[in-house]
Amino acid sequence: QSALTQPASVSASPGQSITISCTAADSDIDSFQFVSWYQQHPDKAPKVLIFDVSERPSGVSSRFSGSKSGDTASLTISGLQAEDEADYYCFSYITTTAVLFGGGTKLTVL
Amino acid sequence: QVRLVQSGAEVKKPGSSVKVSCKNLDFTLTNSYITWVRQSPGHGLEWMGWINIYNRKTLFAQMFQDRVTMTTDSSTATVNMELSPLIFEDTAVYYCARGINWFDSWGQGTLVTVSS
Repeated sequence: QSALTQPASVSASPGQSITISCTAADSDIDSFQFVSWYQQHPDKAPKVLIFDVSERPSGVSSRFSGSKSGDTASLTISGLQAEDEADYYCFSYITTTAVLFGGGTKLTVL
Repeated sequence: QVRLVQSGAEVKKPGSSVKVSCKNLDFTLTNSYITWVRQSPGHGLEWMGWINIYNRKTLFAQMFQDRVTMTTDSSTATVNMELSPLIFEDTAVYYCARGINWFDSWGQGTLVTVSS
């Protein structure tokens, strides 16, 4: 069964860097191509941070970066700021029967 | 990015249906996909499916296959998502978003509450 697994929570202090992982089930690895990342503040619509694994849309801070290695995609946020405190979701269009979001990661800026 | 504006909150009874609309204010979605995503209270994002605005083809998540309909009205630049019959677990905020592999524009969300 398809699944994208994220850590439930991460925390760090302002100025530090964090990485959020998104791991695909073994059967999905070969198709784990189109990975995007979203930031969601409480009671707000999600906002795209990264698409196609590592591409950043115009207007998104360079503090956000994406990468992938094997079955795990990652979102790195450098120079943490208070406003980065939010929920983060990965998304992948693996196949027409496996299109899904990760479970989400709550980032706390200490 | 495009501007997507959704219809207002709804309160529905179990067994009934709900239609949520998503209007493209810029009339620029002539060759795009609109994806619907929902978020139950306190939970994560859930992909529901998409519609191709040009050819009206659709793809739905298996769990919604028998209950969801997605349509488009080019004259009003509106995409509609209808869910029926509703169950209590359908209480959620429903979002429309442009795209298929990634989503660069989102509607503001529509709260649907299913309550007897």
